[in-house]
Amino acid sequence: DQQVKQNSPSLSVQEGRISILNCDYTNSMFDYFLWYKKYPAEGPTFLISISSIKDKNEDGRFTVFLNKSAKHLSLHIVPSQPGDSAVYFCAAQQNRDDKIIFGKGTRLHILP
Amino acid sequence: DTAVSQTPKYLVTQMGNDKSIKCEQNLGHDTMYWYKQDSKKFLKIMFSYNNKELIINETVPNRFSPKSPDKAHLNLHINSLELGDSAVYFCASSQEFSRGRFFGPGTRLTVL
Repeated sequence: DQQVKQNSPSLSVQEGRISILNCDYTNSMFDYFLWYKKYPAEGPTFLISISSIKDKNEDGRFTVFLNKSAKHLSLHIVPSQPGDSAVYFCAAQQNRDDKIIFGKGTRLHILP
Repeated sequence: DTAVSQTPKYLVTQMGNDKSIKCEQNLGHDTMYWYKQDSKKFLKIMFSYNNKELIINETVPNRFSPKSPDKAHLNLHINSLELGDSAVYFCASSQEFSRGRFFGPGTRLTVL
């Protein structure tokens, strides 16, 4: 059972434009959400997170939006840069439980 | 100065063999994890250790045995390797109850 779903396996965006990566979840008990970025042959690196008490968190070019009623979150990257080409994993956590549930990832290609 | 390191990076072995993957973190974190990324790209937690004590043990076969000689190391030993064990295994660490995870570069295990 996929509690965290990233339905787009890949996404291509022109350099300088906005990249929007989407994520849906099914467990309403999740109270913390994270995005990780992964380059080939490397481990995932933490990018940005959001608590369920917020609906938006911004860090530089990265903004995460949370819509709890829709059980949906999205990561916006603007402007997109070539170095943003990577796989992005959405993840969710419940009540500071040590388990983080990851989605399958979305591969983002930034086109020159 | 690698924060979370794993060895080996690649491991190719025959069915039935026993192998180990080593992990070390120099971040002073209390908690270490092993994740498995299977062919469907899901990153799933296998084990979590806090200060050398087992905290999480997901439904992983007994053939997998984690060993934590000290809080900076969490090694994964696998007995009687099977074809289905082929995957990328990621070690990670975090401060106790911290939300983020620091991942190692991964070990690609191929069982022939």
